[in-house]
Amino acid sequence: DAKTTQPPSMDCAEGRAANLPCNHSTISGNEYVYWYRQIHSQGPQYIIHGLKNNETNEMASLIITEDRKSSTLILPHATLRDTAVYYCIVGSTGANSKLTFGKGITLSVRP
Amino acid sequence: ETGVTQSPTHLIKTRGQQVTLRCSSQSGHNTVSWYQQALGQGPQFIFQYYREEENGRGNFPPRFSGLQFPNYSSELNVNALELDDSALYLCASSFSGGIEAFFGQGTRLTVV
Repeated sequence: DAKTTQPPSMDCAEGRAANLPCNHSTISGNEYVYWYRQIHSQGPQYIIHGLKNNETNEMASLIITEDRKSSTLILPHATLRDTAVYYCIVGSTGANSKLTFGKGITLSVRP
Repeated sequence: ETGVTQSPTHLIKTRGQQVTLRCSSQSGHNTVSWYQQALGQGPQFIFQYYREEENGRGNFPPRFSGLQFPNYSSELNVNALELDDSALYLCASSFSGGIEAFFGQGTRLTVV
């Protein structure tokens, strides 16, 4: 599976958009980009995934560059409850594939 | 609430002992994966079970073993515990062909 690179931490103000970057320059053609987050003392939670096109769901938007070497997870209106570690993962499709987690990015939402 | 339950929530064991951790998967899910998460690190894949057979394994020694039962629940067994086995152990259930993995709250294992 391709490796991902994320900054270790970032913060944003409550109510503002949080833009979380991820680099995955070695991604291969059949690999998806997944985002999970882990709130303190809980198991990781799926947020969104994408292959080539931008995706949006009730939690977030995922913007993937045209060359697929990087992506950005956007939380449009961050709340204090969005404070968590966010993991960008690249891998083949299907839940039967293992998830290769890095250290993730710690997002702190300040009041 | 994901519907994936793990037991126990916390456990303290002595070095050299054996431990069994349990996971009940979400209804309808036939695949269970186990992960080990050391403090300050991301989860690391241990192995996956699909329809009661091991279906992939990470870089963990044979003293880490598992089972999946006909109802798709699963156990993780660790023999000859070492201090470095202290971690949060996470179970994730999924449906083959699905995208999303659903994680339990984890079992916090401390080896002393």
